[in-house]
Amino acid sequence: DVVLTQSPLSLPVTLGQSASISCRSSHNLVHSDGDSHLWWLQQRPGQSPRRLIYKVSNRDSGVPDRFSGSGSGTEFTLKITRVEAEDVAVYYCMQSTHWPFTFGPGTKVDIK
Amino acid sequence: EVQLVQSGGALVQPGGSLRLSCAASGFTFSDYWMYWVRQSPGMGLVWVSQIKTDGSVINYADSVKGRFTTSRDNAKNTVYLQMNNLRGEDAGIYYCTRGGLDFWGQGTLVTVSS
Repeated sequence: DVVLTQSPLSLPVTLGQSASISCRSSHNLVHSDGDSHLWWLQQRPGQSPRRLIYKVSNRDSGVPDRFSGSGSGTEFTLKITRVEAEDVAVYYCMQSTHWPFTFGPGTKVDIK
Repeated sequence: EVQLVQSGGALVQPGGSLRLSCAASGFTFSDYWMYWVRQSPGMGLVWVSQIKTDGSVINYADSVKGRFTTSRDNAKNTVYLQMNNLRGEDAGIYYCTRGGLDFWGQGTLVTVSS
């Protein structure tokens, strides 16, 4: 199975500062369709997961442009600029290039 | 408005059975793969199963293979997860989500305990 490793696992951030989360894959995530099926999900406390970014860098509608995704192959990054209180959540990377799909362990972002 | 409304979670004894349902609305259900994902208490997310648009392809995580069965009824816009021979490690919140992962159900809690 593809193993996704996220770092850090805990990320205290000062309001207004930036945060960066790394997601490394044990396998290349380029799909046969040419895209990398790497997603970023946000899960706020007590809520269902929410898709933020699909296929590495495509931001969902309604997601603030403070969120951006980048990367290729086996290394990917989620960046949050100007962190706000509403960004407190656990962030997961997930791959659907290879079955079984797998999630990273999650990165908990909170406010210092 | 796209909605995935889940039901069926309960407290069940080890070895027992449960059927979860996920009723979809607001989109053409038969156009989408559907997925089940579990979140164990205080833990991360784990894929459980996936089912193709017409039900012709179904895949399971190794941990549930032979015990869980995923099915769908496109006439009722509903996907099901039949869970048999439940174990303690099957406990958690089960979410359904559609292909693309852009909409998720509210989750339903399965507790396995004697």
